[in-house]
Amino acid sequence: LAKTTQPISMDSYEGQEVNITCSHNNIATNDYITWYQQFPSQGPRFIIQGYKTKVTNEVASLFIPADRKSSTLSLPRVSLSDTAVYYCLVGDMATGRRALTFGSGTRLQVQP
Amino acid sequence: EAQVTQNPRYLITVTGKKLTVTCSQNMNHEYMSWYRQDPGLGLRQIYYSMNVEVTDKGDVPEGYKVSRKEKRNFPLILESPSPNQTSLYFCASSPWTGVSNQPQHFGDGTRLSIL
Repeated sequence: LAKTTQPISMDSYEGQEVNITCSHNNIATNDYITWYQQFPSQGPRFIIQGYKTKVTNEVASLFIPADRKSSTLSLPRVSLSDTAVYYCLVGDMATGRRALTFGSGTRLQVQP
Repeated sequence: EAQVTQNPRYLITVTGKKLTVTCSQNMNHEYMSWYRQDPGLGLRQIYYSMNVEVTDKGDVPEGYKVSRKEKRNFPLILESPSPNQTSLYFCASSPWTGVSNQPQHFGDGTRLSIL
């Protein structure tokens, strides 16, 4: 299974761009990279997913280098409501043979 | 409204008393999964199911059972709960297209306390 490593915590201020990097050295060819956000007492919520290069949606961007051994979640102009734990997930459901494993998560604290 | 529903949301019980946490999804998803979340350990997968009657172990299956008799339901069974199973549990579901990874939809969680 591809293990992921993320910083335990990060601090930022409102309006800044935040980049959270996830390391996944043993990522397999069929693995996708998915990021989730979790608020206290709630289930994780999907943010963005990618396989290679760059993916952008209305809330975030995901940068994946050519070797795919890491990925960076970029949150533009964060607000207080972005304070949450962010999880990087690497896995492949297409084969149905491997369980999905969450990393330990990065606790982002946004200050006013 | 598309959702994953877990019941109960909170439960305090005693060691050895069998319990079941139900999970139901209304999105016709093939894939369902159970996770437990403990401080400092993130989310760890207990069991998952690719479809009806197809289940497999995740990272921490010991002490748990699951069944998938219907597509929409995926109950988590603790036959003889112990205090080390005190945790926050999440059920999740997603489509399985067979060609790509699909994001998971999570329930609101079940907080279990085993005394």
